[in-house]
Amino acid sequence: QKEVEQNSGPLSVPEGAIASLNCTYSDRVSQSFFWYRQYSGKSPELIMSIYSNGDKEDGRFTAQLNKASQYVSLLIRDSQPSDSATYLCAVRYGGSQGNLIFGKGTKLSVKP
Amino acid sequence: DADVTQTPRNRITKTGKRIMLECSQTKGHDRMYWYRQDPGLGLRLIYYSFDVKDINKGEISDGYSVSRQAQAKFSLSLESAIPNQTALYFCATSLPGAPDQETQYFGPGTRLLVL
Repeated sequence: QKEVEQNSGPLSVPEGAIASLNCTYSDRVSQSFFWYRQYSGKSPELIMSIYSNGDKEDGRFTAQLNKASQYVSLLIRDSQPSDSATYLCAVRYGGSQGNLIFGKGTKLSVKP
Repeated sequence: DADVTQTPRNRITKTGKRIMLECSQTKGHDRMYWYRQDPGLGLRLIYYSFDVKDINKGEISDGYSVSRQAQAKFSLSLESAIPNQTALYFCATSLPGAPDQETQYFGPGTRLLVL
């Protein structure tokens, strides 16, 4: 069974610090990986996607992928209280016809 | 503004009733999805459709059915609602593309309570 695991948190960091969110997945044939942010009572919205091993940066966000270790992470630099949300890791299996499997999410709290 | 809308936003119903949740999109996307979200269980796929004539079961389709009336409309039905179908339901859409570029866009959600 394909699984995506995340620490449920809550992860608490002070404002201005780096928040590190982690995700592991079970199936080595997984091809692409996504981080979604979900504010309480709202719908998920995409932050980052990553396909190749290594780092991908977009503003204050960096996604890191290590396929050998089946591990993907999201770093948030200079964390702000507005970053407080639940972060969902999603993994696509099976190429362009594959669907997303979501982790249960990590709740992040950024303290002023 | 191109968008994904869901109706109703909130619904209370009784055990055994048939209800329909509707999703409409103006994004022009071919692919549409229905998920449910439960506390502690994350998002789980119920049904998905890659075009009007294509309907597929997801991880948890039992007790649900869907209809793709048009490219822009995808409805989810609970034939005989039961309390453990109480959840937050999301519709999502996507446009086929490269595996790492196919983004799913989510509607605002329907909060369903089955008594």
